[in-house]
Amino acid sequence: ETGVTQSPTHLIKTRGQQVTLRCSSQSGHNTVSWYQQALGQGPQFIFQYYREEENGRGNFPPRFSGLQFPNYSSELNVNALELDDSALYLCASSPLQGSQTEAFFGQGTRLTVV
Amino acid sequence: AQTVTQSQPEMSVQEAETVTLSCTYDTSESDYYLFWYKQPPSRQMILVIRQEAYKQQNATENRFSVNFQKAAKSFSLKISDSQLGDAAMYFCAYRRHNFGNEKLTFGTGTRLTIIP
Repeated sequence: ETGVTQSPTHLIKTRGQQVTLRCSSQSGHNTVSWYQQALGQGPQFIFQYYREEENGRGNFPPRFSGLQFPNYSSELNVNALELDDSALYLCASSPLQGSQTEAFFGQGTRLTVV
Repeated sequence: AQTVTQSQPEMSVQEAETVTLSCTYDTSESDYYLFWYKQPPSRQMILVIRQEAYKQQNATENRFSVNFQKAAKSFSLKISDSQLGDAAMYFCAYRRHNFGNEKLTFGTGTRLTIIP
């Protein structure tokens, strides 16, 4: 058990709506990354947060936004949902230390946009 | 930009046999990390094995080992004595070596089936 928890596990939303996904990082980890995994694909990097600030972003539009809180938990917000946003959203936490490279993943949130 | 390619969408192996999953990558960096992750039906990505590019010795973790060919930019995973619990999607991933955390770049995955 990695200690990264995501909520909810499943979610159904209507096109045009907004959604918030949540992630609690593993104890001692101050960096959280979010990935989108479309069906049959590998995860794609959305963005990363370190000490409550965005610290890198992938090729996703501004309607994908995030927050990180003082306890290092994080939220992913998606506005104006589109059908193509249907995917598994994975959160990963990691310590920001020199040789520590392992990212620990949560079980994901399955988002369906109808 | 870095890319990771997994050319085998599906593989199958008899229980107790050995299977090798292939991965190639493209990068202009000289120092980086490579990973194999396992994603069972539970959806959680689990780290199987990690290789640091500056290390010439291939990484091993129990029944899992890699064949890292830096010049060829190849990073294959060998699973020995395959077990039913090894059935999952396997993703190869790349990460630049950096003091700060960097994104993981994943391949498209290989679905491994274990035949009893």
